[in-house]
Amino acid sequence: GQNIDQPTEMTATEGAIVQINCTYQTSGFNGLFWYQQHAGEAPTFLSYNVLDGLEEKGRFSSFLSRSKGYSYLLLKELQMKDSASYLCAVLDSNYQLIWGAGTKLIIKP
Amino acid sequence: IAGITQAPTSQILAAGRRMTLRCTQDMRHNAMYWYRQDLGLGLRLIHYSNTAGTTGKGEVPDGYSVSRANTDDFPLTLASAVPSQTSVYFCASSDSSQSSYNEQFFGPGTRLTVL
Repeated sequence: GQNIDQPTEMTATEGAIVQINCTYQTSGFNGLFWYQQHAGEAPTFLSYNVLDGLEEKGRFSSFLSRSKGYSYLLLKELQMKDSASYLCAVLDSNYQLIWGAGTKLIIKP
Repeated sequence: IAGITQAPTSQILAAGRRMTLRCTQDMRHNAMYWYRQDLGLGLRLIHYSNTAGTTGKGEVPDGYSVSRANTDDFPLTLASAVPSQTSVYFCASSDSSQSSYNEQFFGPGTRLTVL
């Protein structure tokens, strides 16, 4: 079966750095996405990786290792508004997105 | 309209009733999707449409039907609602369903409670 694993919840301090991990086992791989979802709102796109390595976009970076079935999302200089759930999703061989359950990130002052 | 809209925002429904959730996008995207999101579970695909006139079943299609008469609209119908269909429903769209870069844009969601 297809499976995506992420921690259920993480806590970090404002101004710090946090790394959210995602491991996956899917039938095929056509890319990995990270989305942000604030409570009661829709998911919004953060990043996309299809090749191994690090993609940096401002305070957010995303890393992919296809051989290890592993990705992480790195958030720097955390702000209170970063409190949200972070969803990892993999595009499988049928071009369908398989979603993890999400990691709820709590930022404390 | 800008992006994707869904209606209603929320609904309480008696079991056994028929309900249609509406979804409209104005981005001229070819592909559209319906997901449900339940606490502790990831988004689960109910049905999808790669282009107007075609639909396909996702991971959890039972009890739901869809149609795609034109590019913009993708309604989801619950023929006879059951309590297990209580969930938050998200409609999404993407420019293409058959490319690796498949960023999906989401509507605001419909919170459905079946009693």
